[in-house]
Amino acid sequence: QKEVEQDPGPLSVPEGAIVSLNCTYSNSAFQYFMWYRQYSRKGPELLMYTYSSGNKEDGRFTAQVDKSSKYISLFIRDSQPSDSATYLCASLRGSQGNLIFGKGTKLSVKP
Amino acid sequence: EPEVTQTPSHQVTQMGQEVILRCVPISNHLYFYWYRQILGQKVEFLVSFYNNEISEKSEIFDDQFSVERPDGSNFTLKIRSTKLEDSAMYFCASCRSYNEQFFGPGTRLTVL
Repeated sequence: QKEVEQDPGPLSVPEGAIVSLNCTYSNSAFQYFMWYRQYSRKGPELLMYTYSSGNKEDGRFTAQVDKSSKYISLFIRDSQPSDSATYLCASLRGSQGNLIFGKGTKLSVKP
Repeated sequence: EPEVTQTPSHQVTQMGQEVILRCVPISNHLYFYWYRQILGQKVEFLVSFYNNEISEKSEIFDDQFSVERPDGSNFTLKIRSTKLEDSAMYFCASCRSYNEQFFGPGTRLTVL
C-alpha cells in the first residue's frame, strides 16, 4: 500500500471557484502534513503544514487533516489563474525529516 | 527573502560519467536534503544530512551516491557512475525544523 496517495487529476475550474484537493495516507504514525505547490519545472514551494488533526488557514488556503480517516485536504477559496500549478501533499516520516510525497494534483484555473 | 540555490540548472552527461550537483542552502539552516523527481513521478527522498554526516538515506541512495558539505555554504550530491535511470530532477532542500523544508529550483540531469 502506498504511503501517501493523491488523485493526479487534472482538475480544471473557473476563476473564483472553491477548489478541494485531497490525499489519503496509510501510516497512522504520521503527525505532520504539508502542502506544496509546484510550477512546471520548478522546485516545490511550501504552502503550509498542519500538525495532527484539525484545520489551519492562511489567506485563501485552508488545510485540513482528519486522522481518524487518514484524509488530508487543501481548500482554495476564490481561485485565481495564478493558482494553476501542481499541488503536492506530503507527510513527514522518520526521525530526520524524510518527506513522503503524493504524486501531485495538476490544477488549472481558467479566467 | 533567502532561498535555496542550485547549480547547474541542467546537466547533460554520458552514461558512466561522474556528476556533481551543487546546492547552497539557506544560511542559518541546519538540516539538508536531496530529493529527486523522475519525469511524471513522485518527488522521492534520497538522503538527509545533519551535523556533517548522513542522518538517513533511502534505498535509492546506494554506493553510487555520496553527499558532502565541503565548506560552510555548499552541499553537494555526487553520482559516481551515472546510469540512464538516474535521469531526473534533483532537488536540494534545507530547514531549521523538519516541518518547514524549503526546496531549491532543481537540477535537471539527463544521462545519455
